[in-house]
Amino acid sequence: GAGVSQSPRYKVAKRGQDVALRCDPISGHVSLFWYQQALGQGPEFLTYFQNEAQLDKSGLPSDRFFAERPEGSVSTLKIQRTQQEDSAVYLCASSPRGGDERGESTTTDTQYFGPGTRLTVL
Amino acid sequence: AQSVTQLGSHVSVSEGALVLLRCNYSSSVPPYLFWYVQYPNQGLQLLLKYTTGATLVKGINGFEAEFKKSETSFHLTKPSAHMSDAAEYFCAVVLGGGFKTIFGAGTRLFVKA
Repeated sequence: GAGVSQSPRYKVAKRGQDVALRCDPISGHVSLFWYQQALGQGPEFLTYFQNEAQLDKSGLPSDRFFAERPEGSVSTLKIQRTQQEDSAVYLCASSPRGGDERGESTTTDTQYFGPGTRLTVL
Repeated sequence: AQSVTQLGSHVSVSEGALVLLRCNYSSSVPPYLFWYVQYPNQGLQLLLKYTTGATLVKGINGFEAEFKKSETSFHLTKPSAHMSDAAEYFCAVVLGGGFKTIFGAGTRLFVKA
């Protein structure tokens, strides 16, 4: 497809369940980002991949959150033992280039966002 | 630490009126600055960005923003609002050398007929 796709679009989980959220970036894009957007807030950075390498995971809220991009394309964000505070929209974005030595390309490239996955934990 | 403040969670203008959405940032080094728009049931879309060079940046759909270092501001403007501009707008900042984009809380723009 032409854009970033995410699945599922909506997910309802019971507290304590594990969930997996999928992101299909634009083909050939090197950089991939995950964000968490709580209701009424701006997106908050979770993690960043350059190809298959996870270069920054400082935004992951706890060790229940895990992300991977094993072949440098599709990425999965997994949340174990979901809690009510995990309820949010999870956004994925990709951009064409990776960072140069100073990370400049990564930070100046346009990020293309998917529609998000709305997770509701009951 | 860098942060982004958007003044006004909701802004309402009449169709044809000036749109002004305010954004202030705090950063110890010159940042890269972005405005994104989120239409209902759609993903975030880049409106415009400032990286280096000219401080007045023009974007899509007639929007523009001016980087004012002395005021640490990057306000978004459009001379004449259209009904289709109704959406949520996010200001964002990135420091060179990092991977994190820091977003403001957003401003919802309402356009009255």
